[in-house]
Amino acid sequence: GAVVSQHPSWVICKSGTSVKIECRSLDFQATTMFWYRQFPKQSLMLMATSNEGSKATYEQGVEKDKFLINHASLTLSTLTVTSAHPEDSSFYICSAPRGQKGYGYTFGSGTRLTVV
Amino acid sequence: GNSVTQMEGPVTLSEEAFLTINCTYTATGYPSLFWYVQYPGEGLQLLLKATKADDKGSNKGFEATYRKETTSFHLEKGSVQVSDSAVYFCALSPNSGGGADGLTFGKGTHLIIQP
Repeated sequence: GAVVSQHPSWVICKSGTSVKIECRSLDFQATTMFWYRQFPKQSLMLMATSNEGSKATYEQGVEKDKFLINHASLTLSTLTVTSAHPEDSSFYICSAPRGQKGYGYTFGSGTRLTVV
Repeated sequence: GNSVTQMEGPVTLSEEAFLTINCTYTATGYPSLFWYVQYPGEGLQLLLKATKADDKGSNKGFEATYRKETTSFHLEKGSVQVSDSAVYFCALSPNSGGGADGLTFGKGTHLIIQP
């Protein structure tokens, strides 16, 4: 149980275009979704926290106008990279709490974004 | 702020060897500690966790003990298998891991087990 489905698994886009990444909780309700970014040989870095029905909270240094997060339902959170540039190329991963306190988090399988 | 430091890889071992991957952390209060594993082409999976000092998390032969005095959560396995080849991430949550906060991750350690 507690599966998060993330799509697409990889995407290549042209510089200046926008890309939407979706994360769906399949068998539970995710009131909170965390979005991470992982550069090659680096750690996962928390970008933002989305909560269903409210505005996302962004970590310091993350541009909220560039990385648009929508969490309109209890089973879907989306991250849109707007006006993508090559430096946005990275691995993006979503994660949701598994429900019980202290039980950890469920991760999506990640999206490899390449901006050319 | 919070931080996690884990040994850099890749770590290459022979099958049945003993494994230790070091992890130390910096945090205020009483964080929860996790080890996640990422197999090739897959997402992160929770391997084990500990929510308070002296707790020992264990799963699939792996174990780690939450040592507050040394701020460490080293991952160990007595006899590794080729199927254990993956990237291992140490992580912390600033509270009991109830989900209000995201995780702080180490850089990951790539483990390669040779037959």
